[in-house]
Amino acid sequence: AQKITQTQPGMFVQEKEAVTLDCTYDTSDQSYGLFWYKQPSSGEMIFLIYQGSYDEQNATEGRYSLNFQKARKSANLVISASQLGDSAMYFCAMREGGSYGNNRLAFGKGNQVVVIP
Amino acid sequence: NAGVMQNPRHLVRRRGQEARLRCSPMKGHSHVYWYRQLPEEGLKFMVYLQKENIIDESGMPKERFSAEFPKEGPSILRIQQVVRGDSAAYFCASSPPRAGEVEQFFGPGTRLTVL
Repeated sequence: AQKITQTQPGMFVQEKEAVTLDCTYDTSDQSYGLFWYKQPSSGEMIFLIYQGSYDEQNATEGRYSLNFQKARKSANLVISASQLGDSAMYFCAMREGGSYGNNRLAFGKGNQVVVIP
Repeated sequence: NAGVMQNPRHLVRRRGQEARLRCSPMKGHSHVYWYRQLPEEGLKFMVYLQKENIIDESGMPKERFSAEFPKEGPSILRIQQVVRGDSAAYFCASSPPRAGEVEQFFGPGTRLTVL
């Protein structure tokens, strides 16, 4: 069963505008973690932001913020003031390890973002 | 503090050959995860190892794939008798020996091409 869903088609964003990337997840666990990673064309995976299921406030890291709606099981990433260097694939991921200490991640299929000047 | 290192970055093999992918975790990290990324897909978990132990191999194909993380040296992902469908990017991630939610740090990946 798919646990992370990212269904938006490729997105074009004007430089300096904000963009929201959708992510919904499925879990029956009470304690879980959600991650966003960026993968530029060079291929590496860059950690952006983390949200714990018990965190009461939405996570923020610089220009990245996470709109966490627990009841709807969504964890959307918001990138403010887009820059050309933000052009990349963005992956939402959730910790799915069943045993304590196993932090393996389940990834969505990604959102392609292209920032245009 | 060097990040997670993987080598080679690119590997070309002919069908039937063996592929060996290496991962050196960050200093102080004793937990290693391997993921595979097929073209146009997200990463898929393969195996989770701690030093000298395979903890979770639920994502590993039943045949031809094996992984190890010896007491000394890098973690190795071995693919025997490669087939075209093995062509993918293979990522290694490491995390510290700490319980609970911890971030995984990813290496740059090894791009395997099977001819």
